[in-house]
Amino acid sequence: GIQVEQSPPDLILQEGANSTLRCNFSDSVNNLQWFHQNPWGQLINLFYIPSGTKQNGRLSATTVATERYSLLYISSSQTTDSGVYFCAVAFPNDYKLSFGAGTTVTVRA
Amino acid sequence: DSGVTQTPKHLITATGQRVTLRCSPRSGDLSVYWYQQSLDQGLQFLIQYYNGEERAKGNILERFSAQQFPDLHSELNLSSLELGDSALYFCASSFRGGSDEQYFGPGTRLTVT
Repeated sequence: GIQVEQSPPDLILQEGANSTLRCNFSDSVNNLQWFHQNPWGQLINLFYIPSGTKQNGRLSATTVATERYSLLYISSSQTTDSGVYFCAVAFPNDYKLSFGAGTTVTVRA
Repeated sequence: DSGVTQTPKHLITATGQRVTLRCSPRSGDLSVYWYQQSLDQGLQFLIQYYNGEERAKGNILERFSAQQFPDLHSELNLSSLELGDSALYFCASSFRGGSDEQYFGPGTRLTVT
């Protein structure tokens, strides 16, 4: 079955709007990372957050490990926030990252 | 800049050919991972090396092979290329593995014609 599920699959925002992206995972995890893939294909590390809450500028993330989900918040979105956001996890005794299908975010000016 | 370097950035080749993709990990990282991103399969793990030895294998085809050298750089060899091998190939590195944060290189975009 699906191990990492992201929602929504697509999100269209007006510049300045706030949004929340969700990642559900099927088991306890040793590692959870959020990435932004920009239009040039680069995967940018946003957060390493197997549990707890972190903030970096307009972005913040929360992982509730006991309930097996993570949220990525984008505030005051800008056109440069457009791209695909991936959640990826590493399950116990596993070395690889398993990626969700991503959320495609389009921010319109 | 993640500190992980990959060469080349783009590669165009014909079916049946063989190519080599190269990756240098971040300074101090011992683990190297290879991932493939294709339109139909998403981002998938191929293989991991730790300090020169293979540690984990994912959905890597038998036509593909990899190695990690004593200076910790890694190469991914793709042979008998097929149209379906066209994809973005990422290398990532981490200090050790598993629970450590992974940092991704810029990727190599392979087009097989």
